[in-house]
Amino acid sequence: EVLLVESGGGLVHPGGSLRLSCTASGFSFSNYWMSWVRQAPGKGLEWVANIKRDGSVEKYVDSVKGRFIISRDNSKNSLYLQMSSLRAEDTAVYYCARDLGLPGDGTEFDYWGQGTLVTVSS
Amino acid sequence: DIQMTQSPSSLSASVGDRVTITCRASQSISSYLNWYHQKPGKAPKLLIYSASSLQSGVPSRFSGSGSGTDFTLTISSLQPEDFGSYYCQQSYSNPDTFGQGTTLEIK
Repeated sequence: EVLLVESGGGLVHPGGSLRLSCTASGFSFSNYWMSWVRQAPGKGLEWVANIKRDGSVEKYVDSVKGRFIISRDNSKNSLYLQMSSLRAEDTAVYYCARDLGLPGDGTEFDYWGQGTLVTVSS
Repeated sequence: DIQMTQSPSSLSASVGDRVTITCRASQSISSYLNWYHQKPGKAPKLLIYSASSLQSGVPSRFSGSGSGTDFTLTISSLQPEDFGSYYCQQSYSNPDTFGQGTTLEIK
């Protein structure tokens, strides 16, 4: 069974930092692109960042560029999101998601974690 | 960034009804269009990928169509468990973007 379990969320002051983790099991983690997708309370979904199978390529939405870093440790089947200079508008449930892995350039999120809530507030 | 616009934003339908949700892209995205279903407090679930391919394990009452800028998700016979929110997502151009969502209520 494919499982993705996020951790590391919590309450942080504006300007602070937080590191999210996502532990994967039930599949060959190193064979898949992985993403972080967030959802502000009562709002829609927003893709945040993704990372290639071997960690050699990272992409970010403009609103987090220079503040967030996505990384992975394939030996630990783990995905990370280092978040710094946090703002109130970063408050959201953060999901890690697996790319289905179809041929071509598209991204299809076939498995998601349960999410971890990040609250940025003073 | 490519903007994705869903309609309607919300709808109410009865069990057994045929339901259609549309998604329009601000520019052509070929068939790089996916549909997700999300129940309150839960993670989204992939229903349709590449505009019309049914994800494994998803009931056949769900179908998708379209290409270019206009896409449709159809539920042929609405079931009680189909309530929740539906989102389209384009992956033609980085960054991936989602529609604002359609909330489906069962009458």
